[in-house]
Amino acid sequence: QSALTQPASVSGSPGQSITISCTGTSSDVASYNYVSWYQQHPGKAPKVMIFDVSQRPSGVSNRFSGSKSGNTASLTISGLQAEDEADYYCSSYTSTSTDIIFGGGTRLTVL
Amino acid sequence: QVQLQESGPGLVKPSETLSLTCTVSDGSMSGNYWSWIRQPPGKGLEYIGYMYFGGSTNYNAALKSRVTISIDATEKQFYLRLTSVTAADTAVYYCARLRFSYGPFDFWGQGTRVTVSS
Repeated sequence: QSALTQPASVSGSPGQSITISCTGTSSDVASYNYVSWYQQHPGKAPKVMIFDVSQRPSGVSNRFSGSKSGNTASLTISGLQAEDEADYYCSSYTSTSTDIIFGGGTRLTVL
Repeated sequence: QVQLQESGPGLVKPSETLSLTCTVSDGSMSGNYWSWIRQPPGKGLEYIGYMYFGGSTNYNAALKSRVTISIDATEKQFYLRLTSVTAADTAVYYCARLRFSYGPFDFWGQGTRVTVSS
């Protein structure tokens, strides 16, 4: 089972909006609304920012939003802040024997 | 608020078995899925597998022949056992609560670094 495909890096200036894509297949992203997004700061454990494609856990800023079209899910961060600089990972449920698959990760740099 | 803490040896010899424990506090283990994820140095996250409180399991197909996850609800702990380790198994290992079999991983431990080396 190959990992979901994410861009290696994205960048943006404070106040701007950025979008990170996560491309899968008909076995995962395209067929299920079970995409999650995780934020990981250096040396820290990941933190869930979005689940079920577009749901935000309690306490997560509404600057973070998720969507999906076909086999590609997207995470959008609006009003970029310095604290958003981190690695971001998508994950999806998959119909293969491995229930969950991660993307390769995207490093967000706030310029 | 569920809290998780990994524990276990930080150094394992090649061909031996890696064994880790995750202790769950401030929450019940029932009705949830308990999982392990790892992250090799400088690389991304890799799903290892989960065990549901009721006993069912799911493992990453790439690791399935070497992985066992088990639970001791009375101790509020769950475990990872990975056999025949090689240098490729060197990673930070995280335990996490998986809210449903399809996600998300909503509570994570801080992670424990395991190095495979002689």
